Amino acid sequence: GAGVSQSPSNKVTEKGKDVELRCDPISGHTALYWYRQSLGQGLEFLIYFQGNSAPDKSGLPSDRFSAERTGGSVSTLTIQRTQQEDSAVYLCASSQRTGGRFGNQPQHFGDGTRLSIL
Amino acid sequence: GESVGLHLPTLSVQEGDNSIINCAYSNSASDYFIWYKQESGKGPQFIIDIRSNMDKRQGQRVTVLLNKTVKHLSLQIAATQPGDSAVYFCAENRRSGAGSYQLTFGKGTKLSVIP
Repeated sequence: GAGVSQSPSNKVTEKGKDVELRCDPISGHTALYWYRQSLGQGLEFLIYFQGNSAPDKSGLPSDRFSAERTGGSVSTLTIQRTQQEDSAVYLCASSQRTGGRFGNQPQHFGDGTRLSIL
Repeated sequence: GESVGLHLPTLSVQEGDNSIINCAYSNSASDYFIWYKQESGKGPQFIIDIRSNMDKRQGQRVTVLLNKTVKHLSLQIAATQPGDSAVYFCAENRRSGAGSYQLTFGKGTKLSVIP
């Protein structure tokens, strides 16, 4: 499709298990972002990839969270040893480019993965 | 601290009336702002953006106004329709601690359109 695709759309797992969430950005978009959205809340920035540059990991809440972006396209967000507070919707977004004064483009979002930790 | 926030958490509007959703920001260095619409179970959908060298920008039935003096952003929706019912987020682009730019989102305003 033409938009950002995320999978799975829903994930239920037991506390302590590892989970992997996948994001396929819009073709040609060099910037990719992960956010977390808790119920009734705004979006919490997690990590950002721009081309081949080192990712901005400043939003990752703990070392249990990591992300990769292979080949400058698909990204995987991994949460190890999941905790109940990790339950949220994880959203991925991509944009053509980012950064710099007046050089920004809007981010386009997928529909997210709803993660529930039992 | 620096933040993006909203004046009204909920807004109910009669169908056909105009809606105004407000947003305050505190980082004077932010140079790019976006409004998103999020329907239940969906990801945020881009509505309109504005750069800090502009005061106003119009789209289809929507207008964004930027007042840099008081650090205020608003989204105006003309002739509000039931399909406009959603949560609306404003976001500002600002420099992160790691030196890159990222969007910071407000908590959102829920718009309910009364038929």
